[in-house]
Amino acid sequence: EAAVTQSPRNKVAVTGGKVTLSCNQTNNHNNMYWYRQDTGHGLRLIHYSYGAGSTEKGDIPDGYKASRPSQENFSLILELATPSQTSVYFCASGDAGPANSDYTFGSGTRLLVI
Amino acid sequence: GDQVEQSPSALSLHEGTGSALRCNFTTTMRAVQWFRKNSRGSLINLFYLASGTKENGRLKSAFDSKERYSTLHIRDAQLEDSGTYFCAAYSSSGSWQLIFGSGTQLTVMP
Repeated sequence: EAAVTQSPRNKVAVTGGKVTLSCNQTNNHNNMYWYRQDTGHGLRLIHYSYGAGSTEKGDIPDGYKASRPSQENFSLILELATPSQTSVYFCASGDAGPANSDYTFGSGTRLLVI
Repeated sequence: GDQVEQSPSALSLHEGTGSALRCNFTTTMRAVQWFRKNSRGSLINLFYLASGTKENGRLKSAFDSKERYSTLHIRDAQLEDSGTYFCAAYSSSGSWQLIFGSGTQLTVMP
């Protein structure tokens, strides 16, 4: 069954530490996305990728890096975590077009930076 | 930039009643998608519309690109419909990326 799997599900990090959030998809989608969701906001796009080796900045990329080493894997990296990065992070894979959208989200990662 | 304004932010319904969620867009969008966050926190796709209306069970959605809005109607609400609903739109410019509304927290009461 096609899926998007995120790990870890929950993470507590210390300020200034490095955090890596991982995402794996079996949908064979070209595009992958990292969002964060905070109360009062919709999901906001951090980084995205068009395929292996590609990373693009989204709407709120500051403080985050991304890595797409393969079609299946897309990581979000916080080199120096800050409390403002406490949030729920969603990974998605998706190929949308005029007739339909094949957009699948992971279950989310809850990150607490203390 | 392009924005999606979703309302209401919170909605309470009694079982068996119905209501509508609405998203207004600041610019012309090429398509819209509605999601629901399930009990495990996953976002589940409800509808994708490039135009017109779609219906699935007790849910019906409409999208009017020219008038810049989309709606999600819920009828005969059930307790299990409680949760957070998001609309998201595909901008007409650039690649197929989603712009999310801020969500509607729906509570269905007995």
